[in-house]
Amino acid sequence: KAGVTQTPRYLIKTRGQQVTLSCSPISGHRSVSWYQQTPGQGLQFLFEYFSETQRNKGNFPGRFSGRQFSNSRSEMNVSTLELGDSALYLCASSSSGNLPNEKLFFGSGTQLSVL
Amino acid sequence: GQSLEQPSEVTAVEGAIVQINCTYQTSGFYGLSWYQQHDGGAPTFLSYNALDGLEETGRFSSFLSRSDSYGYLLLQELQMKDSASYFCAVSEDDKIIFGKGTRLHILP
Repeated sequence: KAGVTQTPRYLIKTRGQQVTLSCSPISGHRSVSWYQQTPGQGLQFLFEYFSETQRNKGNFPGRFSGRQFSNSRSEMNVSTLELGDSALYLCASSSSGNLPNEKLFFGSGTQLSVL
Repeated sequence: GQSLEQPSEVTAVEGAIVQINCTYQTSGFYGLSWYQQHDGGAPTFLSYNALDGLEETGRFSSFLSRSDSYGYLLLQELQMKDSASYFCAVSEDDKIIFGKGTRLHILP
């Protein structure tokens, strides 16, 4: 079974631009979560999608948005980029349905640099 | 609000035992999990505790006390390849919240 795939692996943008990151979960997994990781801050929860519906959202501004498609693939978008948005963005999938997520499978992440 | 506390760094000697503690405060708790992340790599799942007690998986064990909102990860027979960051994480409703991670340094 293929793992979680995130594209692109690296991205360089300038302030004010927008960016779209893509995530393909493990086949059969319907839950996709997104996290932002910066040095010293751990993994901060952005949002979680299940069957095309956002079930939960973290404490990030509205510039951060996402969506999930019928094939469970997910995208996240960041508009009006700021320098502080530079981070590793991790996507994780889970087989949990209506039960609480117990185990996440992470992709390798997209390293975003905002100049 | 939600918060997870774990030490930022721990140092141990190869072959020894090390314990990484985690305390948490959350509104809805289902379980505590642990993840390992090597530099440049993705976090990988190590263990999950939903009930009080000790879960053992090879050299790694994880403990949970729900009444104390406390858990720990125990690594035995440390190897150099165990040098990594370790994150505790709480499952609540439809999301998993992570601590800031503990950097484990292993000395030869």
